[in-house]
Amino acid sequence: DTGVSQNPRHKITKRGQNVTFRCDPISEHNRLYWYRQTLGQGPEFLTYFQNEAQLEKSRLLSDRFSAERPKGSFSTLEIQRTEQGDSAMYLCASSANPYEQYFGPGTRLTVT
Amino acid sequence: KQEVTQIPAALSVPEGENLVLNCSFTDSAIYNLQWFRQDPGKGLTSLLLIQSSQREQTSGRLNASLDKSSGRSTLYIAASQPGDSATYLCAAYNTDKLIFGTGTRLQVFP
Repeated sequence: DTGVSQNPRHKITKRGQNVTFRCDPISEHNRLYWYRQTLGQGPEFLTYFQNEAQLEKSRLLSDRFSAERPKGSFSTLEIQRTEQGDSAMYLCASSANPYEQYFGPGTRLTVT
Repeated sequence: KQEVTQIPAALSVPEGENLVLNCSFTDSAIYNLQWFRQDPGKGLTSLLLIQSSQREQTSGRLNASLDKSSGRSTLYIAASQPGDSATYLCAAYNTDKLIFGTGTRLQVFP
């Protein structure tokens, strides 16, 4: 199965630590998206890339968040100085066209 | 700004019932609309994608309809089963990103 993969699947960290998540998209997909989902809510858009270019960032993406897609393949999402409010499921999706996205299993972050 | 609303927020039904989940969106200029299933603590499973030129899509016991002019979509589940228990999310493609509703939490009891 060559679907979207995300690592790690679960991450528990202490407040103030930095964390990094990785997303590997479907190989032929040039678009990659990050979403965040808090408990009881639907996912919310964070940012997206077309190839290696980051084309849009949500206001939800504070200065502590940074995302990269260095060679237009996998992407990383880093959160610096984590806060308890960062606890959420972080979802990655990829697509070959803008209007049909394929989602990975997500990374669940718990900040203690 | 696109907003997506799902009603009801929660639903509990006995096994075998046919049921309808509702989704409404404020901006009718959407591209596609997609329904997802999410099990507790898990990622999203795509159920049905309705393209903007289509009015409905069917997969097994699931049927989704789209009425752009009224800003509504419905997901019909026939002959519900306990294994259908999950949260169902509706999402509209608005330019390059998905706008999600908050979901309907479905419980089907034996």
